[in-house]
Order: sequence, then C-alpha cells, then structure tokens
Amino acid sequence: QSALTQPRSVSGSPGQSVTISCTGTSSDVGAYNYVSWYQQHPGKAPKLMIYDVSKWPSGVPDRFSGSKSGNTASLTISGLQAEDEADYYCCSYAGSYTYVFGNGTQVTVL
Amino acid sequence: QLQLQESGPGLVKPSETLSLTCTVSGGSISSSLYYWGWIRQPPGKGLEWIASIYYNGNTYHNPSLKSRVTMSVDTSKNQFSLKLNSVTAADTAVYYCARHKRFGDIDYWGQGTLVTVSS
Repeated sequence: QSALTQPRSVSGSPGQSVTISCTGTSSDVGAYNYVSWYQQHPGKAPKLMIYDVSKWPSGVPDRFSGSKSGNTASLTISGLQAEDEADYYCCSYAGSYTYVFGNGTQVTVL
Repeated sequence: QLQLQESGPGLVKPSETLSLTCTVSGGSISSSLYYWGWIRQPPGKGLEWIASIYYNGNTYHNPSLKSRVTMSVDTSKNQFSLKLNSVTAADTAVYYCARHKRFGDIDYWGQGTLVTVSS
C-alpha cells in the first residue's frame, strides 16, 4: 500500500485558482469514488474539506471543489484566500476497509 | 459537539509497546454509522492510516503495520485503544484518533498527541 502521489507544493496569488493532483492506482483512486481531501494548518489536526470525490461537508466553502479522472483525483481552490495557505492531503479507500493517504501538498498564497 | 481526546505516554523506549487511548464525548461510540481509527504523522511528514475499529470489535489494519498493531474498544467507557509493539524511532509521530465512515471520510479528529520513541 504505497502513498498516493501529490505535488510537493503549489502556489497562487489571492483570487487565483490552484489545483492539486492526487495520483494513485487502479486499486485505490481508480477503483472507488471515495476520495477525500483534508486541510491542515501548522500544529493543528486535519480538517475534512471534500469527501466522496466531490461532496462538501457542512461549512466548507464551495471555493473548494473535487474531481476524479481515472487514477488521479484533483482538488481545486478557486478565489484563493490567505487563510487557504496550509498543507492538503488526499485520502482514498483502498478496499477491504483500508485507506491510503497522499504525501501532502503545501499551498502557498503569494 | 463530538470530541475525541487521545491519552497515553509521550515517551516510549525502543522495542517496547506504545499504548494510546481515545475517549469520545458528545456522542456514542456504538453508532452503526461510524468507524474509529488511528492516524499518525511523523514530524514534518505526511499522514499515515494505522488501523480502525467498529463498535462490535471488528478491526482493520494498514497492511504495513498489521503484525504490530492491536486495537480494542470499550463501549461502556466510550473509548477505543491502540497498541503498537516493538517500536523504533521511526514510530515517533503525532498520533491522532478520529471518527470516519466506512469509505474513509474522516469528519472528527482528536487534537493529536506526540509520542517519541527514545531510550
């Protein structure tokens, strides 16, 4: 069970859009529509931002959106804001009640 | 509001067993909708799912850690626990307990507890 692959970092100016990719295999991301995304600020616990590829938990702004194509899922942050600067992790169901995280992406707001 | 709180030693010696407990408040651990899991994060690194348990005691493990991990649940105390044996420095991490649904969306997290493996 290898970690899903994410870019180490992405950056954008306020108001711009950034997209984070999350590449897995046909055994995890490609096999199930159960990818979730988490935002983590330094020293804090992660926060659920997207689940089931593209669904929003209550209270998460719709500036955050998710999608999937084949073995790659993506998180897009539109209208980037200063408070969006954080680490982001994807997570996929991998069958038999197991789960695998991505290696994480640092988002910088320029 | 659901809350999860990790507790346990912050320092464990190499080759010994790491033991942590998560106390759930504001909701029942016996809900049929949810699973209860442990996730860890080594300093400066990413998240790793360790294992999860259902209220009936069914457990599920990360294959890479399975041989060293034991989980248990105490519904009378609304707690679940993790034991990781034969620890090494590589097991040094912040350990989070969390609630999730079957297919993984983790909606509640504890604040995390740092466990250091060192002699």
